[in-house]
Amino acid sequence: DAKTTQPPSMDCAEGRAANLPCNHSTISGNEYVYWYRQIHSQGPQYIIHGLKNNETNEMASLIITEDRKSSTLILPHATLRDTAVYYCIVRPPSTGTASKLTFGTGTRLQVTL
Amino acid sequence: KAGVTQTPRYLIKTRGQQVTLSCSPISGHRSVSWYQQTPGQGLQFLFEYFSETQRNKGNFPGRFSGRQFSNSRSEMNVSTLELGDSALYLCASSGGGQLSSYEQYFGPGTRLTVT
Repeated sequence: DAKTTQPPSMDCAEGRAANLPCNHSTISGNEYVYWYRQIHSQGPQYIIHGLKNNETNEMASLIITEDRKSSTLILPHATLRDTAVYYCIVRPPSTGTASKLTFGTGTRLQVTL
Repeated sequence: KAGVTQTPRYLIKTRGQQVTLSCSPISGHRSVSWYQQTPGQGLQFLFEYFSETQRNKGNFPGRFSGRQFSNSRSEMNVSTLELGDSALYLCASSGGGQLSSYEQYFGPGTRLTVT
């Protein structure tokens, strides 16, 4: 599995965009990038995933570099409720026998007034 | 659609006892995974069930077991509880297909305290 590297913590002012980086320099061609977040004392929440192209949904945008060695999760207008630990996970398509998620230590995002 | 539900939410047990935790996945989801979260080890994968069969297993001792019923509901059991088993146990469900397996939806967890 490709290893991911994330900064341990980041701060963001409410209303500003939060840009969370993830380095996955050993990613393979068929591996997807997934992002989850975990708000204190709750279960992790799926945010978004992508393979090559940039992706956007109602929660966030995912920008993957052309060489796919890194990606950035963008929360366009961060609110206090976005304060959480954000996990970047790289996984190949499930073969039916390898669908477990491997969580690292993530980035603790603190959104402040 | 209702989310993933886990019962009970909180549990206190004594060393040596056993415990059973329950998880009801999102309707239509066939895969249920279990994770353990502790401050020291973070989130760790326990096992996954799909169509009543365990198809993936993490690196936990045999005291940790699980099963899945025909309606996709799942239970996990921990026997001979140890203090180190105190943790938040999370259940996640997914469609189970090739691309959707990693798009998992987590329940609120069961916080187990072993005294």
